[in-house]
Amino acid sequence: QQPVQSPQAVILREGEDAVINCSSSKALYSVHWYRQKHGEAPVFLMILLKGGEQKGHEKISASFNEKKQQSSLYLTASQLSYSGTYFCGTADSNYQLIWGAGTKLIIKP
Amino acid sequence: DGGITQSPKYLFRKEGQNVTLSCEQNLNHDAMYWYRQDPGQGLRLIYYSQIVNDFQKGDIAEGYSVSREKKESFPLTVTSAQKNPTAFYLCASSAGLGTDTQYFGPGTRLTVL
Repeated sequence: QQPVQSPQAVILREGEDAVINCSSSKALYSVHWYRQKHGEAPVFLMILLKGGEQKGHEKISASFNEKKQQSSLYLTASQLSYSGTYFCGTADSNYQLIWGAGTKLIIKP
Repeated sequence: DGGITQSPKYLFRKEGQNVTLSCEQNLNHDAMYWYRQDPGQGLRLIYYSQIVNDFQKGDIAEGYSVSREKKESFPLTVTSAQKNPTAFYLCASSAGLGTDTQYFGPGTRLTVL
């Protein structure tokens, strides 16, 4: 079953923060986060494995709550380059990755 | 440089024709994938392959076929049986299934005339 991403879209001013959520009805083994610019291929951001870890680099970080079967992506002090559509992919014990519908992020100057 | 290449970037097809989309990787990855993306939508899995000479259907395999004769190559054929093939097609590869990072090619935009 496809993970549910929320919100579907968000508009921010440069410098504001954003949180994108990804929830699954199934027990998860890992969560993958990607960003896609219009007309381009998705670019890998990070993977989180079960165990409730949190990862981050620069101003983008993510958490994975295994018990709640959800992950959140945090974008701090957003930059214009953060614009795009963010996808989460979830893998269960069968190791098949299933993708969410995406969250469109628009950053305005 | 290691990476994934897809060709062509744009492809136009007449109704009733079969077309083949190329995907090549030099990352020495075992697993390869084909996804379809419609405007404003997420990624839907067409086929995936974990090893040479083996592949599995994804969620929307009807009207598509693949082969995996070499580790580096995973071509996708869009057959005339696919009723609505106009879409953006993405190929990806990973070292293994599940927890491994998938790396994507630049994509092929297929338009049926």
